Amino acid sequence: DVKVTQSSRYLVKRTGEKVFLECVQDMDHENMFWYRQDPGLGLRLIYFSYDVKMKEKGDIPEGYSVSREKKERFSLILESASTNQTSMYLCASSLVQGARANEKLFFGSGTQLSVL
Amino acid sequence: AQTVTQSQPEMSVQEAETVTLSCTYDTSENNYYLFWYKQPPSRQMILVIRQEAYKQQNATENRFSVNFQKAAKSFSLKISDSQLGDTAMYFCARGGTSYGKLTFGQGTILTVHP
Repeated sequence: DVKVTQSSRYLVKRTGEKVFLECVQDMDHENMFWYRQDPGLGLRLIYFSYDVKMKEKGDIPEGYSVSREKKERFSLILESASTNQTSMYLCASSLVQGARANEKLFFGSGTQLSVL
Repeated sequence: AQTVTQSQPEMSVQEAETVTLSCTYDTSENNYYLFWYKQPPSRQMILVIRQEAYKQQNATENRFSVNFQKAAKSFSLKISDSQLGDTAMYFCARGGTSYGKLTFGQGTILTVHP
């Protein structure tokens, strides 16, 4: 089975800190995603990457950046954490098959980030 | 923005009974995919079932089945013979844009009572 690993399950940071959330997948998937999960809002896409060093903004990219230096690793960066970025962050990956992305996402188990 | 709507924030059902979770979506595409994901308290998202829009036949996976109404843009999940392990948050999602991006609904918390 595909394994998507997020480095931290819980994280507490101070306002203004630079925060790195790390995600690693072990199945050579081309696509990787960062979602944010909030009660009543479901999952919202922050950024995604379809190849090494390639990235695209999702629906809510403000206040975030990403890095994908290696195919298996996709990092989410909060340049200056704010309290409204307190949330659950989910990383996911998917395989490209033929001319179209498979669209079945494999998820990590999430990082609950609290910004105080 | 193209949206996915789950109108039931919470549902409950007795063990062994049947429950249906609702989902409607918006899309301008003709070929797309629909998904139901389950998120138990462990937080690990698990794919429950998947439907391809060009297929008329409703998808089934053991106790899980869908009612896909393409014209109405409706995609409900039916869970038969509910089990305690079905207690979870359920998300409906739509794919079909490039790179495999999914758009998720707000989620429905399902509680199965003994």
